[in-house]
Amino acid sequence: GAVVSQHPSWVICKSGTSVKIECRSLDFQATTMFWYRQFPKQSLMLMATSNEGSKATYEQGVEKDKFLINHASLTLSTLTVTSAHPEDSSFYICSARETAGETQYFGPGTRLLVL
Amino acid sequence: LAKTTQPISMDSYEGQEVNITCSHNNIATNDYITWYQQFPSQGPRFIIQGYKTKVTNEVASLFIPADRKSSTLSLPRVSLSDTAVYYCLAYAFTGGSQGNLIFGKGTKLSVKP
Repeated sequence: GAVVSQHPSWVICKSGTSVKIECRSLDFQATTMFWYRQFPKQSLMLMATSNEGSKATYEQGVEKDKFLINHASLTLSTLTVTSAHPEDSSFYICSARETAGETQYFGPGTRLLVL
Repeated sequence: LAKTTQPISMDSYEGQEVNITCSHNNIATNDYITWYQQFPSQGPRFIIQGYKTKVTNEVASLFIPADRKSSTLSLPRVSLSDTAVYYCLAYAFTGGSQGNLIFGKGTKLSVKP
């Protein structure tokens, strides 16, 4: 149980375009989902916390207008990287927390390469 | 959210038992200890979680002394496929509020044949 999926698993795009990444909890409902970013050989860095039906909370230094988060249902959160640039190239990982429990389960990640 | 300290890396051989210790001196009463495993280019995978004493599942054991200022993840009879980065986190289950996870550098375990 407690499976989280992400789509796409990898994406290559041109600079200036927008990319949407989906995060789904497959077998549980998640009122809270989290978005992380991980650069090569570094640890995960929390970007934002997404609560179903409300605005996301962004960590300091993360531009909310650049990284748009939508958590419209208890099983789906999306992260849109707007006007992507090469420095946005990274590994984006989401996690979801069960409504009834507090353990966070992570998705497989999405590799973004901006050319 | 307690700060955790782990060894940066560890080496082991197949079939050995591996113990990774994590320090969390300022752990709070409501904090739970959770360990994740991460392979390259994959999301972290939940391994085990505990509050005190000993917890065991099909993958690992977690030992937590009475003062809870440290914890030890024990992996029995490791194989090459256990080569990964292991993260220790101590955080509170805060219900509807944040409960954000702050990842440290983790411990890179290398298992050799």
